[in-house]
Amino acid sequence: AQSVTQPDIHITVSEGASLELRCNYSYGATPYLFWYVQSPGQGLQLLLKYFSGDTLVQGIKGFEAEFKRSQSSFNLRKPSVHWSDAAEYFCAVGAGGYQKVTFGTGTKLQVIP
Amino acid sequence: DGGITQSPKYLFRKEGQNVTLSCEQNLNHDAMYWYRQDPGQGLRLIYYSQIVNDFQKGDIAEGYSVSREKKESFPLTVTSAQKNPTAFYLCASSMSPSNTEAFFGQGTRLTVV
Repeated sequence: AQSVTQPDIHITVSEGASLELRCNYSYGATPYLFWYVQSPGQGLQLLLKYFSGDTLVQGIKGFEAEFKRSQSSFNLRKPSVHWSDAAEYFCAVGAGGYQKVTFGTGTKLQVIP
Repeated sequence: DGGITQSPKYLFRKEGQNVTLSCEQNLNHDAMYWYRQDPGQGLRLIYYSQIVNDFQKGDIAEGYSVSREKKESFPLTVTSAQKNPTAFYLCASSMSPSNTEAFFGQGTRLTVV
């Protein structure tokens, strides 16, 4: 069965510092991979997705993620965090229809001045 | 302006009462989904529908029911059989059943007292 692990429940970074959120997955083939962001009381917004091709994926709001097959990872990065990036971030994996997508438990990002 | 609308944003009900959450989309998407979100957990699939007049149980369908009489509407009823109904509920849609990409509504927070 497929699964997603986000090992960090909560991360605190200073504004302007770099950010890396970890995501490890288990999947039988090459997966579709997603990163979403959720502000409190809001829905999920897609930051970026990997389906195939270039393993370094650029997304919205200055985020990028790198697919590393050998490590079964899809970590999210941002070179300089802004206070407005404080939110919860979800990694997801799946293919063959959205009903087959599995979500991680999320990483809550706090940004301090 | 295309999108997914969930209503209401907040809902309070007494224990033992059924309650229906609304989800409407004007994206002309075939597939629609309902998720439940609890603190510290990822999204869990309740029900999904790939086409009008058809729907399938997800991972946690017990205590919930749905209908799909119109393409644009996929209401979720939380019945009195659901043991822990207090949660944040998210609706999503995707273009087709095989499409592994979805758009989310803003969610409904249900509190049962």
